[in-house]
Amino acid sequence: GQQLNQSPQSMFIQEGEDVSMNCTSSSIFNTWLWYKQDPGEGPVLLIALYKAGELTSNGRLTAQFGITRKDSFLNISASIPSDVGIYFCAGQRTTDSWGKFQFGAGTQVVVTP
Amino acid sequence: GAVVSQHPSWVICKSGTSVKIECRSLDFQATTMFWYRQFPKQSLMLMATSNEGSKATYEQGVEKDKFLINHASLTLSTLTVTSAHPEDSSFYICSASPPQGREAYEQYFGPGTRLTVT
Repeated sequence: GQQLNQSPQSMFIQEGEDVSMNCTSSSIFNTWLWYKQDPGEGPVLLIALYKAGELTSNGRLTAQFGITRKDSFLNISASIPSDVGIYFCAGQRTTDSWGKFQFGAGTQVVVTP
Repeated sequence: GAVVSQHPSWVICKSGTSVKIECRSLDFQATTMFWYRQFPKQSLMLMATSNEGSKATYEQGVEKDKFLINHASLTLSTLTVTSAHPEDSSFYICSASPPQGREAYEQYFGPGTRLTVT
């Protein structure tokens, strides 16, 4: 089963608003990845995080690797209609073999004009 | 960035037949690839780890005789769903990462294959 708790499950926001979502776990992670998935397509990598406390941006997206190494956050600023989709966090625990990631349940983002 | 492709993008088959799905790393070699399945409105569930030149490693609860994986080259892994049934209908996605550099710590997904078993 899923080892990551991702919240919120869904968000309905107006264009221009900021969006925040997070993933938490009781396990310790050494890598966090954030993906966006559009319907009928594979997930696309948005941001990768490798160190506790690391804060990384990709355009309007900003993600952070939690200090405790048990959580991560993703923020989307000034949302636009094309931000619609499902966002997944993925974390590699210190006990996982290389390449194996745990996935969150996803956050569905809906942006209204 | 690393590019992973899948073929076909969608397939419809009759119950009892077998279907093969291909996963290719286009601009890098991958000794390891991963196969996931995803049901509507759900997250990705890891099915198995595909290892080039050796047997695949299956996750608990995944039938290895039903989901045959062959990783015959450094750029190609195949998933064959044998004797498919309607409950096998799902979205199958593979992932891989380059062997070197920062990208080696990341997973890049293919576009997915929609399987419908009638």
